[in-house]
Amino acid sequence: EAGVTQFPSHSVIEKGQTVTLRCDPISGHDNLYWYRRVMGKEIKFLLHFVKESKQDESGMPNNRFLAERTGGTYSTLKVQPAELEDSGVYFCASSQDGGGTNEKLFFGSGTQLSVL
Amino acid sequence: GDSVTQMEGPVTLSEEAFLTINCTYTATGYPSLFWYVQYPGEGLQLLLKATKADDKGSNKGFEATYRKETTSFHLEKGSVQVSDSAVYFCALWQAGTALIFGKGTTLSVSS
Repeated sequence: EAGVTQFPSHSVIEKGQTVTLRCDPISGHDNLYWYRRVMGKEIKFLLHFVKESKQDESGMPNNRFLAERTGGTYSTLKVQPAELEDSGVYFCASSQDGGGTNEKLFFGSGTQLSVL
Repeated sequence: GDSVTQMEGPVTLSEEAFLTINCTYTATGYPSLFWYVQYPGEGLQLLLKATKADDKGSNKGFEATYRKETTSFHLEKGSVQVSDSAVYFCALWQAGTALIFGKGTTLSVSS
């Protein structure tokens, strides 16, 4: 069974440019989460999709970030325009039930974003 | 709000040494506690968990005990291996919230 896939694995862009990150969850997983780890800091929650609907987007830092999950399959996270402080590792995770103790939460290997 | 504090790294050990990575938490309710591990080039993986006070989670020789009185969930392993080199994250979860992570601790084990 394929795991959670994220791409690109690395992205280097200049301040002011646009970047789109993609996440393909495990097939059949309705719940999709985005997290971000800024260098040396905690991994922080960004948002949670249930199918194509945003269940919780309380962690989105500002309106330069736009997440979509059309059709309830893969998700994209667009940063426009990118700022220096957006640099970090962006993780995607998926789960089947979305509740309980998060035991069945599967993470991708992350996208390392560097904004210069 | 809820938070997790774990010891700063990096932690550098020789093979077969004893490992402790400290983790303490602040939470209003009764959270579940987790340790996640990220090996180089891979995604986060659940290492172990405990869902209530005095529970002990264990996996791959790692252990952590949920201590409500000290609000701690320290990770231990009696004899580390080079293959244990990774970043370790302590995390908590309560119903209706997302996982809350600590800052991560990098472990390097040399032979």
